[in-house]
Amino acid sequence: EPEVTQTPSHQVTQMGQEVILRCVPISNHLYFYWYRQILGQKVEFLVSFYNNEISEKSEIFDDQFSVERPDGSNFTLKIRSTKLEDSAMYFCASSFGQSVNYGYTFGSGTRLTVV
Amino acid sequence: DQQVKQNSPSLSVQEGRISILNCDYTNSMFDYFLWYKKYPAEGPTFLISISSIKDKNEDGRFTVFLNKSAKHLSLHIVPSQPGDSAVYFCAASGLAGNNRKLIWGLGTSLAVNP
Repeated sequence: EPEVTQTPSHQVTQMGQEVILRCVPISNHLYFYWYRQILGQKVEFLVSFYNNEISEKSEIFDDQFSVERPDGSNFTLKIRSTKLEDSAMYFCASSFGQSVNYGYTFGSGTRLTVV
Repeated sequence: DQQVKQNSPSLSVQEGRISILNCDYTNSMFDYFLWYKKYPAEGPTFLISISSIKDKNEDGRFTVFLNKSAKHLSLHIVPSQPGDSAVYFCAASGLAGNNRKLIWGLGTSLAVNP
């Protein structure tokens, strides 16, 4: 069964450093998303991406965040200068269509720990 | 932001019995509701969804009921199996322009005891 792959599974970084979280969505999917879950809190929407541009972003997704689909297969989330409060589980998801009844496919997540 | 609420953080059920997981929402613009299941160290897995024009959707052992007037939905699992032990998330979506995003509840941890 096709799956969304995220690397690394766990990333530890020092505050102020840049991190890049990588995702390989399902190959025929057209819509890509990043969500995050801070420990003990809700899963939160960060950004959606379609046709090589951001289609929607949340207020969490400020200038420190960026996304890119550099080569047609990878989908990356960059945090330029990490803060302690960026520590969370980051989930990448993809879907074939825009409608939610397609049920986004999520990756296993990257646990980001900022120290 | 409490648009989607799962008021029970945990639920324990005997194998073979029915599990009922509840979810309440406040935003009447939501038109699609989904349930996801999550095992430790894995991402959420889509389970079942329901459109706001329906009041019930069934898929095998899983049934979702929607009561729009009460802004309440529930997931029934019958019969429950030990492999169903996981965290269950309720999520809601409303079309805003051309975009859809999921608004999630906090999750309910289900333990099915053999």
